[in-house]
Amino acid sequence: RKEVEQDPGPFNVPEGATVAFNCTYSNSASQSFFWYRQDCRKEPKLLMSVYSSGNEDGRFTAQLNRASQYISLLIRDSKLSDSATYLCVVNMGAGNTDKLIFGTGTRLQVFP
Amino acid sequence: ETGVTQTPRHLVMGMTNKKSLKCEQHLGHNAMYWYKQSAKKPLELMFVYSLEERVENNSVPSRFSPECPNSSHLFLHLHTLQPEDSALYLCASSQDWGGVNSGANVLTFGAGSRLTVL
Repeated sequence: RKEVEQDPGPFNVPEGATVAFNCTYSNSASQSFFWYRQDCRKEPKLLMSVYSSGNEDGRFTAQLNRASQYISLLIRDSKLSDSATYLCVVNMGAGNTDKLIFGTGTRLQVFP
Repeated sequence: ETGVTQTPRHLVMGMTNKKSLKCEQHLGHNAMYWYKQSAKKPLELMFVYSLEERVENNSVPSRFSPECPNSSHLFLHLHTLQPEDSALYLCASSQDWGGVNSGANVLTFGAGSRLTVL
């Protein structure tokens, strides 16, 4: 089983649609979680951290389900500019170490 | 200059060449990283330096040699590479590595150095 697993997509959605991605992780002791966004031929950039209580930033909502070991990202009212690859990142470090494991990413294409 | 800058942006080299990738961060961060990104694969962590000390070396072949002369600069020295080493090499930095403050390990990436080995 991969440490961090994502559906590679692509998810093709029309503008205005709501789309959700899931990401599963193998290590139940993982402590912190993130979503990064990577545009074509660009570097990854932090989209949002994922907190235990869930968090929202405008049209984006991230959730953590520890029991089932997955995190999710919900995008409401999709814009053309949301087209990108969304990378799930899980910190599997123990103690005072960090071990950030990336998923392969989920590609989103928003069309007019 | 702000953020994380990498040079060169593109590099083509033969298998017998020696070259270096350079990374500089202007964020006052204490940790710097080298990642490799190949098509259809997740980012692979290669090396981590925290306070100029190497803290992680992920079974990377010796033909890749990192150097961290100070907390703002990171190099990746390349020699006798193979064609399968062709990839995007991303440098990143974070405030800290392994600290109790989980927000301190958020990564800021450079634009990457795209390497082609002939």
